[in-house]
Amino acid sequence: AQTVTQSQPEMSVQEAETVTLSCTYDTSESDYYLFWYKQPPSRQMILVIRQEAYKQQNATENRFSVNFQKAAKSFSLKISDSQLGDAAMYFCAYFLGSNYQLIWGAGTKLIIKP
Amino acid sequence: DAGVTQSPTHLIKTRGQQVTLRCSPKSGHDTVSWYQQALGQGPQFIFQYYEEEERQRGNFPDRFSGHQFPNYSSELNVNALLLGDSALYLCASSLSEELRNTIYFGEGSWLTVV
Repeated sequence: AQTVTQSQPEMSVQEAETVTLSCTYDTSESDYYLFWYKQPPSRQMILVIRQEAYKQQNATENRFSVNFQKAAKSFSLKISDSQLGDAAMYFCAYFLGSNYQLIWGAGTKLIIKP
Repeated sequence: DAGVTQSPTHLIKTRGQQVTLRCSPKSGHDTVSWYQQALGQGPQFIFQYYEEEERQRGNFPDRFSGHQFPNYSSELNVNALLLGDSALYLCASSLSEELRNTIYFGEGSWLTVV
């Protein structure tokens, strides 16, 4: 089965601290891409970071980085120096080229405490 | 450069009615995908349109149908609405040659079925 599991329904972090959001996935495909999307109250999905499964190097975008463990099928997101604007729902997803769709987790609500 | 635009933003329908949602892809994009996001859940893939044809379909009944026009814009139609169809409907556009790299989302259409 093709699934994505986000085991943390909600996470809370103090402003300026670091937080890690967990994601595991299950696929038998070898060619896929992994994504973290942010969904603020406006509801628009915003791409945070992308990782190609064939690359061993972890992706980094400014304060956002991932820890990609392909054998364990784990794809966690680390947010450094958390800011109030980071508060949102965060969704982990992977893209299968074989069926043209994103498979999504249930999301993690991130709360930033000032 | 306009991003992905969806209309209407919000709408309320009665059980048994029919609804049409519209999406204009980002400039230069030729592929449109539709996702359903129920409250508190991750999005679920409905279908994808490319070259005015449905290229891939998720696990949704035939009540859900779509169309893509020559200018790449798309419509999602839902017939015989059920209470369970209440959700945020997201449109995603991409470039066929770079499906995994260029997925952009609109702000969605909130559908409430009463």
